[in-house]
Amino acid sequence: GNSVTQMEGPVTLSEEAFLTINCTYTATGYPSLFWYVQYPGEGLQLLLKATKADDKGSNKGFEATYRKETTSFHLEKGSVQVSDSAVYFCALHEGSNYKLTFGKGTLLTVNP
Amino acid sequence: KAGVTQTPRYLIKTRGQQVTLSCSPISGHRSVSWYQQTPGQGLQFLFEYFSETQRNKGNFPGRFSGRQFSNSRSEMNVSTLELGDSALYLCASTAGGLGETQYFGPGTRLLVL
Repeated sequence: GNSVTQMEGPVTLSEEAFLTINCTYTATGYPSLFWYVQYPGEGLQLLLKATKADDKGSNKGFEATYRKETTSFHLEKGSVQVSDSAVYFCALHEGSNYKLTFGKGTLLTVNP
Repeated sequence: KAGVTQTPRYLIKTRGQQVTLSCSPISGHRSVSWYQQTPGQGLQFLFEYFSETQRNKGNFPGRFSGRQFSNSRSEMNVSTLELGDSALYLCASTAGGLGETQYFGPGTRLLVL
């Protein structure tokens, strides 16, 4: 079945540092890929998505490129802010079902 | 447009009781999905409804059930609560097509004592 593997957290960075959160997936076909963010006490918000190979999703300074050859969708941001502190989830959708398959989530803490 | 709303936001129950959670999708959205989030298992898919019909179901016991009304609002019910049912229950809505972005509500946090 489908699966998503994210780098283990927590990740702690200083403000303005570069962020990478690794995400790899297993799927039989051509999934759509998503990054969601969850701030403390809240639900999930879509951060960005990509629906086909080599697509780059971007939002709020975050970027991720759909790499089919490496089955990856790593999240990057050039300069993190304290307000980026949250849990980040990589997810995929594939096939004729209507569910998202999520990774375990990565807690990011950004210190001033 | 108003987002996905869930009620109640917090709930405390005791083992053996049952609970009903409610989700109102974004206006115009006809699909509602439910997920359970726990520290140990992460986010797991429960079921999805579209036009009052369940289209997909995850691997949860029959104690977990749901339904959808003609106005697209959805409820999920958990009967005979167990301690392990303590979790954040999230619902998400889409217009109903495959692969569409799911928009999540803030969740209902259920604590079973």
